[in-house]
Amino acid sequence: GQSLEQPSEVTAVEGAIVQINCTYQTSGFYGLSWYQQHDGGAPTFLSYNALDGLEETGRFSSFLSRSDSYGYLLLQELQMKDSASYFCAVSSGYSTLTFGKGTMLLVSP
Amino acid sequence: EAGVVQSPRYKIIEKKQPVAFWCNPISGHNTLYWYRQNLGQGPELLIRYENEEAVDDSQLPKDRFSAERLKGVDSTLKIQPAELGDSAVYLCASSPETMNTEAFFGQGTRLTVV
Repeated sequence: GQSLEQPSEVTAVEGAIVQINCTYQTSGFYGLSWYQQHDGGAPTFLSYNALDGLEETGRFSSFLSRSDSYGYLLLQELQMKDSASYFCAVSSGYSTLTFGKGTMLLVSP
Repeated sequence: EAGVVQSPRYKIIEKKQPVAFWCNPISGHNTLYWYRQNLGQGPELLIRYENEEAVDDSQLPKDRFSAERLKGVDSTLKIQPAELGDSAVYLCASSPETMNTEAFFGQGTRLTVV
């Protein structure tokens, strides 16, 4: 089966940089995704990595190391609106898009 | 372009009663997922469809849950009978391809079983 580990909570201040780590175990790995979910809202897609390395999209970047079964989401220039839950998810051959338990990010002024 | 539409948004039922959720995916999306999300947890896959075929229902509690996707478009998820532990948000998502790189989620149905 699949399993993903990510921290349950991270706190930071506005303007700072924060990194949310994700380690995974799965068979038939295709890629690692990140989703953001605000309270009461739907998960929304942030990024996808299929190959090793860093993908940058504006203030958000995502990294993958397939050999280490590890990835992270990097959020820069934090804003209050970034307070949300962040989920890593693996795409695999057997059951695509399996989510981790999520990391709650709290951004304070 | 309209997103994934789910109804109802909220549902309160008594235990042992049946309940059904409906999902209309984004037009042209072949892959459809049903997830269940408990408070403070990540979405857990219940079933995945490729067009009208259920290709992964290994985590669907088949004694009480059923799903269908007629004509490979809309989908319904049913629980009969509901139990207290079924209280959760039921999320529907769709993706344009089989090995998706991005899934689009609906707003979900928040089910409360009393």
